[in-house]
Amino acid sequence: GIQVEQSPPDLILQEGANSTLRCNFSDSVNNLQWFHQNPWGQLINLFYIPSGTKQNGRLSATTVATERYSLLYISSSQTTDSGVYFCAVDTGGFKTIFGAGTRLFVKA
Amino acid sequence: DTGVSQDPRHKITKRGQNVTFRCDPISEHNRLYWYRQTLGQGPEFLTYFQNEAQLEKSRLLSDRFSAERPKGSFSTLEIQRTEQGDSAMYLCASSLARAGRLNYGYTFGSGTRLTVV
Repeated sequence: GIQVEQSPPDLILQEGANSTLRCNFSDSVNNLQWFHQNPWGQLINLFYIPSGTKQNGRLSATTVATERYSLLYISSSQTTDSGVYFCAVDTGGFKTIFGAGTRLFVKA
Repeated sequence: DTGVSQDPRHKITKRGQNVTFRCDPISEHNRLYWYRQTLGQGPEFLTYFQNEAQLEKSRLLSDRFSAERPKGSFSTLEIQRTEQGDSAMYLCASSLARAGRLNYGYTFGSGTRLTVV
């Protein structure tokens, strides 16, 4: 089945810093989503982005489907950005496969 | 409609007991998914419903697991004869899809944390 690799696995930032999270996938995908799981476990959908670029406030995402990767940009990070960021893809079936996540800690 | 609701939030049960979890999706969403997440891992797909039809089940879903979505509304996930390895967070998500394709991303509930002792 499709493999989803996220990097880096762990990231520590000083508040105000910018960062880029990467998601590589091993096969063509129909859909790609980015999620943030907060320290209380709630998964929040950040972007539904099978291709192209989207922006939402300090966050933006770009998916280059032909090269099988997606990037999540976090600018001017805040302590509330801490948590785990997951990339999730599906290949046209009904199940979405999650990567192992990037664990982000933003220091005040 | 405030989102996807899951009940209970926490469940502690003795090994061998049966447990049932409930998920109420966003009312206009036609797809419903169950995932399981263990500590330090990403969510793993368990099963999926399009309206009331269960269209796919993971190999992770042994014979002790069963899921239903009567009338295409809420869904239940039952685990029979629980084992310690079933301890995990069980997540429900819903989405809206037309013409076989997602219109938007998934909305997840807060999950049910199961501890089998």
